[in-house]
Amino acid sequence: ETGVTQSPTHLIKTRGQQVTLRCSSQSGHNTVSWYQQALGQGPQFIFQYYREEENGRGNFPPRFSGLQFPNYSSELNVNALELDDSALYLCASSLGQLGTTKNIQYFGAGTRLSVL
Amino acid sequence: KQEVTQIPAALSVPEGENLVLNCSFTDSAIYNLQWFRQDPGKGLTSLLLIQSSQREQTSGRLNASLDKSSGRSTLYIAASQPGDSATYLCAVGELTGANNLFFGTGTRLTVIP
Repeated sequence: ETGVTQSPTHLIKTRGQQVTLRCSSQSGHNTVSWYQQALGQGPQFIFQYYREEENGRGNFPPRFSGLQFPNYSSELNVNALELDDSALYLCASSLGQLGTTKNIQYFGAGTRLSVL
Repeated sequence: KQEVTQIPAALSVPEGENLVLNCSFTDSAIYNLQWFRQDPGKGLTSLLLIQSSQREQTSGRLNASLDKSSGRSTLYIAASQPGDSATYLCAVGELTGANNLFFGTGTRLTVIP
């Protein structure tokens, strides 16, 4: 049990729709990262938020956006869904220290998104 | 760009065997390396974390080694059990940039009773 919870666990959407996925970080963790894991692949880094600001982004288009709230919960929003967006979406929280956000990451169980 | 490769992609062993999973990475400027376990349809469970200054970490029947200069890590599982059946992922944290991890595609392990 990592203390990181994600909701919903499963979601079905149709192409072109918008989706919001939620993550509740481990208590006190000020850094959250989001990953996309396609079937049979390793997770791919989407972006990271540190103290409510984006702190790095992987190779994902702008229709993938995020928010981090003062209570360190966060959202991943995906607009104009495409079939290839079908994947397991994982969030990971960590405690960033002064001068660095690098520290062990604790993963949630993920949200499985299916786009039809 | 960091690339992480895991070999083999799948492995089946009889219960009780010792086994080694391999991970290689292209850029040796790493901050740390982690091994994760993932059960089907589930999230990731961290098994071992090795900082770049360390050579190995041990937890129970698991031992992970790191050779940064050659860009390699191994995960050794002793006396395998059917409950060890899962996909094992290796992930590298880079020295610069955000605290993101670069993952391999994993090794799917099946331990046969």
